[in-house]
Amino acid sequence: DAGVIQSPRHEVTEMGQEVTLRCKPISGHDYLFWYRQTMMRGLELLIYFNNNVPIDDSGMPEDRFSAKMPNASFSTLKIQPSEPRDSAVYFCASSFAGYEQYFGPGTRLTVT
Amino acid sequence: GESVGLHLPTLSVQEGDNSIINCAYSNSASDYFIWYKQESGKGPQFIIDIRSNMDKRQGQRVTVLLNKTVKHLSLQIAATQPGDSAVYFCAEDIQGAQKLVFGQGTRLTINP
Repeated sequence: DAGVIQSPRHEVTEMGQEVTLRCKPISGHDYLFWYRQTMMRGLELLIYFNNNVPIDDSGMPEDRFSAKMPNASFSTLKIQPSEPRDSAVYFCASSFAGYEQYFGPGTRLTVT
Repeated sequence: GESVGLHLPTLSVQEGDNSIINCAYSNSASDYFIWYKQESGKGPQFIIDIRSNMDKRQGQRVTVLLNKTVKHLSLQIAATQPGDSAVYFCAEDIQGAQKLVFGQGTRLTINP
């Protein structure tokens, strides 16, 4: 298995632009998680899905952030409009039955 | 709010020695704990987990100890190797909801 796949690996954008991060979970996994990692706040859970349904989005910082999972093999995290404080590394992770989460390589987002 | 924390932000050990990384947690309802390893530029990698009904679990060169009385978790790495250099995170599963709360991380460096 190729593991969790994320794209792009790096994204540089200007403040106010829309940013879309993509994730392909490991085949057969029924949970998908989006995390954000910064030096100041560490690794934070933003939202997670079970069987493509959002279960808990309490970690989503504000309405500028949205996430979707249209099918079992694809998820997106969108930021619109982006702000400099959104700069971070965003990780997607997947798991079977919710435990032993496997993380992707991350997307490093820089908003100027 | 309740959180997972680490006693030391950095740990330096001699190659071949044993490493012990500590973690304190405050949520008495947590029943599942995980250790992750994160190398530079990569996503966190699962190392070992333990459930609250256990006090010790061993893997390959790693042992996790759980002391629920004092809410303390530790990761022991035997015969530390250069490849063990990374940041190590403990995480707790809040009330079995698949919501992992990560500690700040401990950077482990290996001296030759």
